[in-house]
Amino acid sequence: AQSVSQHNHHVILSEAASLELGCNYSYGGTVNLFWYVQYPGQHLQLLLKYFSGDPLVKGIKGFEAEFIKSKFSFNLRKPSVQWSDTAEYFCAVTKAAGNKLTFGGGTRVLVKP
Amino acid sequence: GAGVSQSPSNKVTEKGKDVELRCDPISGHTALYWYRQSLGQGLEFLIYFQGNSAPDKSGLPSDRFSAERTGGSVSTLTIQRTQQEDSAVYLCASSLGQTNTEAFFGQGTRLTVV
Repeated sequence: AQSVSQHNHHVILSEAASLELGCNYSYGGTVNLFWYVQYPGQHLQLLLKYFSGDPLVKGIKGFEAEFIKSKFSFNLRKPSVQWSDTAEYFCAVTKAAGNKLTFGGGTRVLVKP
Repeated sequence: GAGVSQSPSNKVTEKGKDVELRCDPISGHTALYWYRQSLGQGLEFLIYFQGNSAPDKSGLPSDRFSAERTGGSVSTLTIQRTQQEDSAVYLCASSLGQTNTEAFFGQGTRLTVV
C-alpha cells in the first residue's frame, strides 16, 4: 500500500523567510502528486499538482514543488512567505492508473508578521 | 452546484446514536471520496466510489461505518452507535474520475459525539 510522509508537523517562521516542506511517498510506480492547503476556517484547496513533464511545478501564490523520482520526493517551496500563508499543508499521492488519494499527515505552518 | 456541498455543517449527537452525513458532489464528477480529519491528525481515507465500480471500503475503521452513493451522485456516510472517538471533521471530495484529475473538497461536517 502506498504511504505519504511529511517530515515536519509544525513550522514557525517569520515573514519573508523561505519555506520548504518535505514530502516522501512509498509507491514505486507512476504517481500523480499534489499539494493541498487548508487556510484557517476554510476547506482544502489545491495548491499545485504534478502529473508528468517538467518536474518543477509552479502553483498558486508563488508556491512551487519539485518532483525527484529517485528520492520519491515532492517537496514544496516558497522563497518568501507572507503572514497569509499561515495554514496547514498536505501532500497527496495517487497512482497514475487510479484516483484514490493518499494524504500525508499535514504540516501546520505559522508565519509571524 | 458550483462546488462540493456537505450537510449538516455541524452535528452534535449523543453516544450510541446513529448519524447520517450527506455529500453532494460537483455535477458530472464520477469519483467521490470520504475522509476523516481528527484534531491533530492528518486526513484519514475512509471510502472511495468510482462510477459503477465496487467502492473501495478499505479505510472504513469499523463495521459501524457504511456509505452509499445513489444514482452515481449524492453520497451518505452513516455511522451507527456513535462513539466519542468518532468525533472529527468528515470531508467529502469529488473528481472527474479520470486519471490525472484533482479532487475538490467540501467544507466538511464537524461531528461531535457527547
